[in-house]
Amino acid sequence: QQQVKQSPQSLIVQKGGISIINCAYENTAFDYFPWYQQFPGKGPALLIAIRPDVSEKKEGRFTISFNKSAKQFSLHIMDSQPGDSATYFCAAKGGSNFGNEKLTFGTGTRLTIIP
Amino acid sequence: EAQVTQNPRYLITVTGKKLTVTCSQNMNHEYMSWYRQDPGLGLRQIYYSMNVEVTDKGDVPEGYKVSRKEKRNFPLILESPSPNQTSLYFCASSRPGLAANNEQFFGPGTRLTVL
Repeated sequence: QQQVKQSPQSLIVQKGGISIINCAYENTAFDYFPWYQQFPGKGPALLIAIRPDVSEKKEGRFTISFNKSAKQFSLHIMDSQPGDSATYFCAAKGGSNFGNEKLTFGTGTRLTIIP
Repeated sequence: EAQVTQNPRYLITVTGKKLTVTCSQNMNHEYMSWYRQDPGLGLRQIYYSMNVEVTDKGDVPEGYKVSRKEKRNFPLILESPSPNQTSLYFCASSRPGLAANNEQFFGPGTRLTVL
């Protein structure tokens, strides 16, 4: 059962353009939604994260938009640069203190920024 | 430097030959976890540990064992590896709970091939 669905699987964007990756979740107990960035040969690294009490969070060129009623969230990369070329994973974590901190991941999006 | 280290980074082995992948973190994190990453499936949790001597199964625990004798170390043990355990493995650590900075840190990964 895929609890976090991510699309598209791959994305090619021109330098300076906007990259948009979408995720949808099923479990309403999720209360933390991070995005991870992974470069080849490296482990995933936290890029930006949001909690469901806000609809948008922006850090530099990266923005998360969150729609609680639709159970969807998306990553927007403004002014995309070749250095942003990587695989991006959305994830979600359930709301329980001192429980399993498991991240449920989407299937990943391979983003390529072309000059 | 705060980090999660894994060894080995690459391993080719044969079916049935016991192996251990080590994981160590220097951030004094209580929580540690193992994930496997497979194409089209994202990352899936194998086992996790909330603290020393406290471990539990994740989503795909079959064929794996773990131990947590020290806070900093969380080895992954494959008693009798099989080809379907060929994958990219990541260790992660964090502080538990909903603290603002309980980011999950990932190691660099171990690529395992079982022939």
